[in-house]
Amino acid sequence: QQQVKQSPQSLIVQKGGISIINCAYENTAFDYFPWYQQFPGKGPALLIAIRPDVSEKKEGRFTISFNKSAKQFSLHIMDSQPGDSATYFCAASFPGSWGKLQFGAGTQVVVTP
Amino acid sequence: DAGVTQSPTHLIKTRGQQVTLRCSPKSGHDTVSWYQQALGQGPQFIFQYYEEEERQRGNFPDRFSGHQFPNYSSELNVNALLLGDSALYLCASSVLRGMVTDTQYFGPGTRLTVL
Repeated sequence: QQQVKQSPQSLIVQKGGISIINCAYENTAFDYFPWYQQFPGKGPALLIAIRPDVSEKKEGRFTISFNKSAKQFSLHIMDSQPGDSATYFCAASFPGSWGKLQFGAGTQVVVTP
Repeated sequence: DAGVTQSPTHLIKTRGQQVTLRCSPKSGHDTVSWYQQALGQGPQFIFQYYEEEERQRGNFPDRFSGHQFPNYSSELNVNALLLGDSALYLCASSVLRGMVTDTQYFGPGTRLTVL
């Protein structure tokens, strides 16, 4: 049973546009929601993370929006660049899980010049 | 500062064989987690080691086992390999604070192909 559902599976956006990736979760005990970026042949790298006590977090061109009541969170990539072309994963963990991350299935983002 | 390192980079085995993958955590990190990433999928948690003990385990059979050494490095062993074990195996390291780990940093992974 997948506890974190991610959409869309793939996304094509023009340079300068906004990429939006959505995730929904089941377990209300989750309290840590990171986003990871993965390039081909590389391991995932932490992009940005949020906890449920805030509704939005921004770091540079990357913003997480969090809706606790809807059990959803999303990643917005502003002013998308060709170098942002990668696979993005949302994840979640809950207290006492020793940091066990449960990942979504991933979204492949392609930014066209 | 070296990040998380894994060896080997690639590995090809045949069904029924056994394999050992290795991971060295980021400097200052005491916790190592292992994940399996099948092609086109998100990483799936296998298990986590802290103070040389398995602390948390995902939904993986006993064919998957591990070890953590006093220097915090870790090994993942898989016995009786199946075709379905073909995947990218990722190691992640972090610092444990209470029962909560800080940010997990991933290594580049070991690509295992089972023929």
